Amino acid sequence: GQNIDQPTEMTATEGAIVQINCTYQTSGFNGLFWYQQHAGEAPTFLSYNVLDGLEEKGRFSSFLSRSKGYSYLLLKELQMKDSASYLCAVKTGGFKTIFGAGTRLFVKA
Amino acid sequence: DAGVIQSPRHEVTEMGQEVTLRCKPISGHNSLFWYRQTMMRGLELLIYFNNNVPIDDSGMPEDRFSAKMPNASFSTLKIQPSEPRDSAVYFCASSLLGARGLAGGSSSYEQYFGPGTRLTVT
Repeated sequence: GQNIDQPTEMTATEGAIVQINCTYQTSGFNGLFWYQQHAGEAPTFLSYNVLDGLEEKGRFSSFLSRSKGYSYLLLKELQMKDSASYLCAVKTGGFKTIFGAGTRLFVKA
Repeated sequence: DAGVIQSPRHEVTEMGQEVTLRCKPISGHNSLFWYRQTMMRGLELLIYFNNNVPIDDSGMPEDRFSAKMPNASFSTLKIQPSEPRDSAVYFCASSLLGARGLAGGSSSYEQYFGPGTRLTVT
């Protein structure tokens, strides 16, 4: 079956660093995405990893270990506007992408 | 580019009525996806098309749901008859994917989501 696990909620302080973990077990793997979704809005693309290692993009970084079925999204210098849900998604092969339930991040002052 | 366009943005209907949701993908994209999002079940893939052809509709919950893509710039998701448990936000997304779903072009592998249609069935 297809399974993507991530924590339901996390809370962090403005200016801090937070790591959101994602583990997956899927039939087929063709890359892992992270999307950000603010309340009442559509998901927007953050990052894509297909090879092992760390991809850095400004304040956001994403890591992938295919052998462990594991990824994390690292957010640095947290800002209040980073309060949102973060969705881990796996492209299983072909055209299909499976989304995790999302992690709701609350950034407090 | 206007992005993915969905209409209506909000729909309130009574149980038993037919509901039609519309989507216009980003021009030039060849893959289109319909998702449903609820608090309980998260973001679920319902059906996706490539070059206007339905590839996988295994996520469509019941025969009451149907989707069409008559041309590259338009798709509909229809629910007939609607039920209260269909209440959710329905997203349409588009992407540019090559043969076998592989990435086509630079930075084109991600899906671009429309603003969604919030459906309430009473």
